[in-house]
Amino acid sequence: ILNVEQSPQSLHVQEGDSTNFTCSFPSSNFYALHWYRWETAKSPEALFVMTLNGDEKKKGRISATLNTKEGYSYLYIKGSQPEDSATYLCASNSGNTGKLIFGQGTTLQVKP
Amino acid sequence: DGGITQSPKYLFRKEGQNVTLSCEQNLNHDAMYWYRQDPGQGLRLIYYSQIVNDFQKGDIAEGYSVSREKKESFPLTVTSAQKNPTAFYLCASSSGTGGKNIQYFGAGTRLSVL
Repeated sequence: ILNVEQSPQSLHVQEGDSTNFTCSFPSSNFYALHWYRWETAKSPEALFVMTLNGDEKKKGRISATLNTKEGYSYLYIKGSQPEDSATYLCASNSGNTGKLIFGQGTTLQVKP
Repeated sequence: DGGITQSPKYLFRKEGQNVTLSCEQNLNHDAMYWYRQDPGQGLRLIYYSQIVNDFQKGDIAEGYSVSREKKESFPLTVTSAQKNPTAFYLCASSSGTGGKNIQYFGAGTRLSVL
């Protein structure tokens, strides 16, 4: 079983701060890396799916990078807003299947 | 509205009882998945199905059973053999079965033991 680790486990920032968190995964047999955002009382929603080493994706103030050789991905949030408060999940798979292995998540709280 | 519907939102199980969690999708997705979440842990895959009438065990299938008789439905039964069923259960679906396919999630069912 793949082991996907996320850090930190939780994060408290002030509105306007920029922040980033890490997802590490086994680099052998890597296929894809997924990021999801899970707001309280809602369903997890996909942010990005990345497959290529050096890939960088952006959606508004949120961006992500991928290093498949060393087995990590960073998620960046620029100018955090209270509505960014959520748990951010990353997941990886080692083959072209839908079998994702999830990290335990990073919970972000943005204070106004 | 297109999406995934899980019911009920809360479910209570008595000792020795089987209970079934419902998951329905109207996204016309081929693949469906069941995950379990425990505090401090990532989502863990229980079962998944890539096509009607076919399903595979995930990482923690013991004590659970599923069926996939219709494309839009993937119910999960928590059997009496599952000794620690208290958890939050999420159902998901994806349009394809490949590793790049985004998964779409329901709102979850919280199961507790009486």
